[in-house]
Amino acid sequence: DAGVIQSPRHEVTEMGQEVTLRCKPISGHDYLFWYRQTMMRGLELLIYFNNNVPIDDSGMPEDRFSAKMPNASFSTLKIQPSEPRDSAVYFCASSNGGRTEAFFGQGTRLTVV
Amino acid sequence: GNSVTQMEGPVTLSEEAFLTINCTYTATGYPSLFWYVQYPGEGLQLLLKATKADDKGSNKGFEATYRKETTSFHLEKGSVQVSDSAVYFCALTFSGNTPLVFGKGTRLSVIA
Repeated sequence: DAGVIQSPRHEVTEMGQEVTLRCKPISGHDYLFWYRQTMMRGLELLIYFNNNVPIDDSGMPEDRFSAKMPNASFSTLKIQPSEPRDSAVYFCASSNGGRTEAFFGQGTRLTVV
Repeated sequence: GNSVTQMEGPVTLSEEAFLTINCTYTATGYPSLFWYVQYPGEGLQLLLKATKADDKGSNKGFEATYRKETTSFHLEKGSVQVSDSAVYFCALTFSGNTPLVFGKGTRLSVIA
């Protein structure tokens, strides 16, 4: 398996624009997580899905953020409109749930100017 | 709630020095414990794990023992290399639908 695949690796956008981050989890994994990493706040869980259903989105910072998982092999995180304070590295991870570890993608480095 | 506390970095060591990164947790029940490593510009990779008390996880010369009595999972390595320079994260999870809870990370720099 190629692991968790995220795209794009880098994104630079202007404030006010819509940004869509993409994730393909490991085949067979039933949990998918979106994290955000910044120097100030470290790793923050934004939202996670189980069997494509959102379980907890309490970490989503504002209504400008939304996430979907239309099927078991694809998820998106959308920011609309984007703001400079959204600049961060966004990670997607997947797991078999339970007490097993999560596997992380390479991340998307988002810069909003 | 559940939480993980790691020693603050950065930690700077000379090559071949002994490494300890402290990690303690607060949790209701007995979680699984993990150490992840993040090399520059990359995602997090699992380094080692332990699923029950007194288990020792080990990988690439790193070790950590699950200590229920002290709620700790300290990371150790006997002789660090320059290539070990990275950020290390301690994390926990329970069974069911609970995601990983991470510590804030400890940056390690090893100088030749």
